[in-house]
Amino acid sequence: AQKITQTQPGMFVQEKEAVTLDCTYDTSDPSYGLFWYKQPSSGEMIFLIYQGSYDQQNATEGRYSLNFQKARKSANLVISASQLGDSAMYFCAMREGGTGGFKTIFGAGTRLFVKA
Amino acid sequence: DTAVSQTPKYLVTQMGNDKSIKCEQNLGHDTMYWYKQDSKKFLKIMFSYNNKELIINETVPNRFSPKSPDKAHLNLHINSLELGDSAVYFCASSPFDRPRNTEAFFGQGTRLTVV
Repeated sequence: AQKITQTQPGMFVQEKEAVTLDCTYDTSDPSYGLFWYKQPSSGEMIFLIYQGSYDQQNATEGRYSLNFQKARKSANLVISASQLGDSAMYFCAMREGGTGGFKTIFGAGTRLFVKA
Repeated sequence: DTAVSQTPKYLVTQMGNDKSIKCEQNLGHDTMYWYKQDSKKFLKIMFSYNNKELIINETVPNRFSPKSPDKAHLNLHINSLELGDSAVYFCASSPFDRPRNTEAFFGQGTRLTVV
């Protein structure tokens, strides 16, 4: 069963506008971490933002914010004031586990295109 | 001072060959991983090692054998390469003592092409 779902294979946004990338997750573990990564065309994986399952406030990192709705199991990424350099693949990920080992599992990704 | 480094960055080889990808991290992390990213960009965890010990093996064919000589290194050896093994392989690491709130640091990836 899919643990991380990103329903938008591709998104377009106008430069300087805000965009929301959707992510829903599924876990029965009360303690988990949620992450967003950016993968530009050069291929490297760049960590953007983290949200813990017990965090009361939504995480923010510069132009990135995470809209965490725990009851709905969603962790959407909001990018404000989009820039051309934001064009990339974006992956939502969840880290869970226990004594058997921790692992980070990824959604299928959303390709973001920023238009000038 | 690269945090997680993989070599080689590109690897083109014929079907049936055996090849290795090396990974080293200088972050002092206890846990290292191998991920496979297919042509559709889907990232799937393959293995996880903690302090040289295998802790996660995600139903990967036996032709794939990870080797961790020490906690800073996790190499991936692939026997009898098949066309379907063509993908980008990412090595990653994270500390074990903060299991849930620490992102995985990724290497730059190795693009493997089997012809």
